[in-house]
Amino acid sequence: LAKTTQPVSMDSYEGQEVNITCSHNNIATNDYITWYQQFPSQGPRFIIQGYKTKVTNEVASLFIPADRKSSTLSLPRVSLSDTAVYYCLVGDGISSGSARQLTFGSGTQLTVLP
Amino acid sequence: NAGVTQTPKFQVLKTGQSMTLQCAQDMNHEYMSWYRQDPGMGLRLIHYSVGAGITDQGEVPNGYNVSRSTTEDFPLRLLSAAPSQTSVYFCASNHDRAQETQYFGPGTRLLVL
Repeated sequence: LAKTTQPVSMDSYEGQEVNITCSHNNIATNDYITWYQQFPSQGPRFIIQGYKTKVTNEVASLFIPADRKSSTLSLPRVSLSDTAVYYCLVGDGISSGSARQLTFGSGTQLTVLP
Repeated sequence: NAGVTQTPKFQVLKTGQSMTLQCAQDMNHEYMSWYRQDPGMGLRLIHYSVGAGITDQGEVPNGYNVSRSTTEDFPLRLLSAAPSQTSVYFCASNHDRAQETQYFGPGTRLLVL
């Protein structure tokens, strides 16, 4: 399974764009890159998923370079309510021919300041 | 749809007691998973299931048992609770591939004294 590395924490101010980068040097050909958001006392919530280049939805954008060894989650114009932990997951759930579940790392604590 | 439901919301156990954490989903998802989350840490996978009758171990399976007799339900059993199992437990489900979006329940807070 591809191991991911993210910053432990980041601070930003309201209205700014925030970019959180995740490193996954040994990503496999079939692996997807998925980001989740978790608020305190809640379960994680899916934000965005991509395989290559750029993906955008109403919440965020995901940038994946050609070598796919890293990815960047971009949150435009953050607000106080975007303060949360953000997780990067990499994998397709298949290892040695048997189905496996993706695993979460420690995530990045984003704190948005007024 | 109710999505993923978990009961109880909060539980206090004494060391050595047993209990079952319930998880149910009404989305007809094949995959279901149990995670634990300790303060300041990410989620660690305990057990998961890729379909009724099929379960497998995650990162931290010791001290926990699971079964999957129906598509809807995926209970987590603690046979002899230990203080190290004090944690928040999340159940999740997703459709038919591991990279599909996981839907999480509200969590169960467990305190083992």
